[in-house]
Amino acid sequence: EPEVTQTPSHQVTQMGQEVILRCVPISNHLYFYWYRQILGQKVEFLVSFYNNEISEKSEIFDDQFSVERPDGSNFTLKIRSTKLEDSAMYFCARPRGGANYGYTFGSGTRLTVV
Amino acid sequence: SQQGEEDPQALSIQEGENATMNCSYKTSINNLQWYRQNSGRGLVHLILIRSNEREKHSGRLRVTLDTSKKSSSLLITASRAADTASYFCAGVEDTSGSRLTFGEGTQLTVNP
Repeated sequence: EPEVTQTPSHQVTQMGQEVILRCVPISNHLYFYWYRQILGQKVEFLVSFYNNEISEKSEIFDDQFSVERPDGSNFTLKIRSTKLEDSAMYFCARPRGGANYGYTFGSGTRLTVV
Repeated sequence: SQQGEEDPQALSIQEGENATMNCSYKTSINNLQWYRQNSGRGLVHLILIRSNEREKHSGRLRVTLDTSKKSSSLLITASRAADTASYFCAGVEDTSGSRLTFGEGTQLTVNP
């Protein structure tokens, strides 16, 4: 069973709309990551978030994207003005332990932009 | 740079056989990890091998790492139909903080 829960599991949105994807950890963690996987392609890093600040981001993570931890527990990824090519699975992840222990991924949100 | 190119892209075997998947990478890594993904689902961490390790075992899994060739392999022994999934290698580069860079993945099908 996942230790990281993502909601919604599937979201359909109109092009140009804003979406907010949520990640809820069961235990308290400071470090979180967002990744995306376009259908049939490999998983791509978007952003890492440590202690309420972005610590790393990829070239994909442009001004269209933002991350927040609005209430100290939930961890959100906001995508503004969605485009068709934003359709993908979005995963959040947290470290399983210290460095060199791998990561626990959530079950993902499938975003479909129509 | 592209990290984690895997081969084969697809592998189909019979139950009970061993499955070997390979991964190559281009930059220096801190560690290399293997993940499994069932269709349309999340990624499940399988095993991690550090850059100073050459081989590691976990149950029916055996992973090797050759830093001189910048390659890794994942062996699943005595495969089962339930092992059918996509398998991805992912590296943490020395210079990229803690982000994972994933390969394209190998789709493994184990026929009963």
